[in-house]
Amino acid sequence: NAGVTQTPKFQVLKTGQSMTLQCAQDMNHEYMSWYRQDPGMGLRLIHYSVGAGITDQGEVPNGYNVSRSTTEDFPLRLLSAAPSQTSVYFCASRTSVSFGEQYFGPGTRLTVT
Amino acid sequence: AQTVTQSQPEMSVQEAETVTLSCTYDTSESDYYLFWYKQPPSRQMILVIRQEAYKQQNATENRFSVNFQKAAKSFSLKISDSQLGDAAMYFCAYRAAGTSYGKLTFGQGTILTVHP
Repeated sequence: NAGVTQTPKFQVLKTGQSMTLQCAQDMNHEYMSWYRQDPGMGLRLIHYSVGAGITDQGEVPNGYNVSRSTTEDFPLRLLSAAPSQTSVYFCASRTSVSFGEQYFGPGTRLTVT
Repeated sequence: AQTVTQSQPEMSVQEAETVTLSCTYDTSESDYYLFWYKQPPSRQMILVIRQEAYKQQNATENRFSVNFQKAAKSFSLKISDSQLGDAAMYFCAYRAAGTSYGKLTFGQGTILTVHP
């Protein structure tokens, strides 16, 4: 049981490049989400999904795209990277049980130059 | 919109002593959940303790306990017998109950240093 996995762990992009951050979970969780962590701001929700084929925007969705074709995978796409997207990105999952614990991946540190 | 505020950017404690981290939140909901997460230098987010708002009894997990004051919208974390391994960033988080998803709203974080 690997929990929530994310790849890559580190990435450097140039402004305007695109890339996909991968996230997978093996716990059969319905809910998955992406957060970004910036200094002094805690974690903020980018996008989330309540099941395969269903996604919605969080607090800071601009510049990011998501899709969920399977229960296990929830990739985050940066369409045209900008320096403002330099951050640490966390994927998380949990069951639909109301008090269900949120499990986090190890994070991806992204730098956009 | 819900907000979570951690007013202590940094705290320090001597090993074996007790420290309390503060958290306040703002919500119009009556049913919700509160969490404390620990983030060590490894960056991994680790759930420390959680509290259901409708339960008056304060949650405890070994050396970690909370002081939940619903009327004051306060949710502090007490760490007893502090250990070097407790050094980390601590985040307070809120999640509304009974909604279709219930996103986590985080505070800004408190860096805890433990001195030997």
